[in-house]
Amino acid sequence: EAGVAQSPRYKIIEKRQSVAFWCNPISGHATLYWYQQILGQGPKLLIQFQNNGVVDDSQLPKDRFSAERLKGVDSTLKIQPAKLEDSAVYLCASSLVAEEAFFGQGTRLTVV
Amino acid sequence: GNSVTQMEGPVTLSEEAFLTINCTYTATGYPSLFWYVQYPGEGLQLLLKATKADDKGSNKGFEATYRKETTSFHLEKGSVQVSDSAVYFCARRQGNLIFGKGTKLSVKP
Repeated sequence: EAGVAQSPRYKIIEKRQSVAFWCNPISGHATLYWYQQILGQGPKLLIQFQNNGVVDDSQLPKDRFSAERLKGVDSTLKIQPAKLEDSAVYLCASSLVAEEAFFGQGTRLTVV
Repeated sequence: GNSVTQMEGPVTLSEEAFLTINCTYTATGYPSLFWYVQYPGEGLQLLLKATKADDKGSNKGFEATYRKETTSFHLEKGSVQVSDSAVYFCARRQGNLIFGKGTKLSVKP
């Protein structure tokens, strides 16, 4: 079974630029998550989708972050404009409803 | 505030020592509880889970019991190995899936 695919693996951008991350979940998984993991900290939930509806986006900085889930499958997370404090690993995960989440390898973002 | 609280790390143990990593949670009702592990240079992966009160999750010699009365899900292992060195995350699901801050474990030979 293919795992959660994320791209790119690494990205370096200058502050105030924009960036987008892509995630392809495990086939059949209705729930998709985006987390931000700053070095030395636990994953912070940014947004959780069930199919193409939003379950929780309470910690998503909506003035600069946006996310969508196309047709309830793939998802993109965008940051515009980026700030230095956005440097982190962005993790995508997916799950069957109410089951454990499976994580991708993440995208390491460095904002300079 | 954070709905999952883990003991502060790092934790350093000698091989074959007993391990406990404390985790408490806040939730209404009966959330599902998880322990995830992140080995150096690798992604997050599920270690064990429990979905109802008094359930015991176990895997690779690790165990955790879902204690509703104390809202806890402490991770234990009777004899750690060097290969257990990693960061361990407690998580709870109640609608959303929330993680603790992680506890780094280093096991010395």
